[in-house]
Amino acid sequence: DTEVTQTPKHLVMGMTNKKSLKCEQHMGHRAMYWYKQKAKKPPELMFVYSYEKLSINESVPSRFSPECPNSSLLNLHLHALQPEDSALYLCASSQQWGLGNSPLHFGNGTRLTVT
Amino acid sequence: GENVEQHPSTLSVQEGDSAVIKCTYSDSASNYFPWYKQELGKRPQLIIDIRSNVGEKKDQRIAVTLNKTAKHFSLHITETQPEDSAVYFCAAMPNAGGTSYGKLTFGQGTILTVHP
Repeated sequence: DTEVTQTPKHLVMGMTNKKSLKCEQHMGHRAMYWYKQKAKKPPELMFVYSYEKLSINESVPSRFSPECPNSSLLNLHLHALQPEDSALYLCASSQQWGLGNSPLHFGNGTRLTVT
Repeated sequence: GENVEQHPSTLSVQEGDSAVIKCTYSDSASNYFPWYKQELGKRPQLIIDIRSNVGEKKDQRIAVTLNKTAKHFSLHITETQPEDSAVYFCAAMPNAGGTSYGKLTFGQGTILTVHP
């Protein structure tokens, strides 16, 4: 069983659509992450939330808008995406941000296709 | 920021052989080094990790070694099995100050194929 749950598993959206990706964890972790992964490439960090506050934004375009409603939930709101934004979007959590030996637990990801 | 280089990009072995994947990192403040396995269409899964105060760690057929002076670490898989076939990513994370603080930087990945 995956301890980090992401919905939906697949998403196809047009460039004018607005959609949201959702992530949930119940491990009591206080850090949550969004990563983007293109085929045959490593995950690339997008955002880090620590104790529900945005700690890192890796210069991500504003068409991606993260939200952390509480310590268990993480959303990624999408608007006016481009075809090159098509990728696997991975959510992850860890016990604390920046804590050595605090492994990331990844969800199964949302496969996003922008048409 | 941190830069992690991983070699080889592809590795093909016969079942029962050993496999070794090597990574180097640039930021001397990095002190946490996990390895992830990602099967096709699935999420990255942590298989082993090591902290910089430890030189070697072993878990059954998997071991990781760390040379902090040389800034390199390696994954060793013994007695490989077809189910070990996957993409393996090394990563490094600094926990001291700097622009890379708290960021897990991944290597480019190694596609491991174990032939029966």
